[in-house]
This record gives sequence, C-alpha cells and structure tokens, in this order.
Amino acid sequence: EVKLQQSGDELVRPGASVKMSCKASGYTFTDYAMHWVKQSPGQGLEWIGTIIPLIDTTSYNQKFKGKATLTADKSSNTAYMELSRLTSEDSAVYYCAQLGGNWFAYWGQGTLVTVSS
Amino acid sequence: DTVLTQSPALAVSPGERVTISCRASESVSTLMHWYQQKPGQQPTLLIYLASNLESGVPARFSGSGSGTDFTLTIDPVEADDTATYYCQQSWNDPPTFGGGTKLELK
Repeated sequence: EVKLQQSGDELVRPGASVKMSCKASGYTFTDYAMHWVKQSPGQGLEWIGTIIPLIDTTSYNQKFKGKATLTADKSSNTAYMELSRLTSEDSAVYYCAQLGGNWFAYWGQGTLVTVSS
Repeated sequence: DTVLTQSPALAVSPGERVTISCRASESVSTLMHWYQQKPGQQPTLLIYLASNLESGVPARFSGSGSGTDFTLTIDPVEADDTATYYCQQSWNDPPTFGGGTKLELK
C-alpha cells in the first residue's frame, strides 16, 4: 500500500522559513516523481513543483520559484519542501503527491502552515 | 497557464444524476483528471485520462470529454458524495486545477 506521511502542522513567524517532510512507503521511492501542491484557506489547488528523486532534478511553477525549494533523501525515502521568507499569503495546507502516469495518484494527508506573529 | 473553469456549486437530491463540468482555456487533449475532496481530507483520484475509473472508485462515477470540455457524472448520487470535486490537466505545463465544484445534497 502506497503511503505518504507528512510532517506535523507548523506555526511560524513572518519572514521565517519552514521545512516540511513527506515520507514515502509502499513503493520504490526513486521510481516516481514527487510533487507538491498548495491549498490556501477556502481556495483551490496550486501546483508548486516536482522532484525526481532518482536524479535529484527539480522543476518549479514560475510562481513559486524563489519561494519553495524541493529536496529528497533516497536513504530515508523522504521528500522535503522548504518555504522561505514567509508571509500571510503562504498560510495554507501543503500536500505532497505521487505522480502515477500523468495524474496525482496518491496524496499525503497535508501539512498546515500558519504564518502569524 | 491553462485555466480550468468549473461551476462553484451544485445541489442535488440522493438518487439523482449529476454532471459536473470543466472547461479548459486551451486544448488539453484527454489529459484531464478528476479528484474528490471531503472536508478536512486530502484529494483522492476518481478519474484519470478523462474517462478511466481509478481502481476502487464506485462505477457510479464516470468521466467524458476531450479537447476543452469535460464532464464528471455521478449516477446515482449518494449522501456520501458530498464533497468538492476538482478537475486537473496535465497536457500543458504547469499542471493546473479547476477552482472546484462543491456538491451538496438536498
């Protein structure tokens, strides 16, 4: 069974950074790209970017370049996303999702990031 | 970016047939997928490549369309189908999602 277990919710100050994780199990981590998706409160879904763990190649939505940094640790089957220079606009739920074919087949449970002083 | 437009909300009675539409601002071939999201939960895949039912999803769900116009149909609707439904295209980069259609049961 494929499972994506995300790290816990975060409360962070404006201007700070936050790094969240997504631990994969039930499949070969290096066989599939890992994607990240943002869901703002009461809003829809936005694709942030993706990392191919096998070759550590990343691709970002232009909107999130400079905001998000994606990494992966093959030894622990874990993907990470760091968000920098946080503002209230970054308060959202962030999901990791495994791409199966051309669609998001499996999703993590989400990490809620709240930016507040 | 490819904009996907969905009607914001629908209300139907259990047992009825409901169609949820998704219109793309440019052709996405058949690389359109549908997800269901219940409150407080992550999205789950329902339909991939416009018309293929994901394993484990009830046959009450079906999808159709190509190019710019797509439809998700639920027939018959059950109480458990109360959720927000999102379309998502993967033909053009970046992948984009529709704004979601909130389905409520009367």
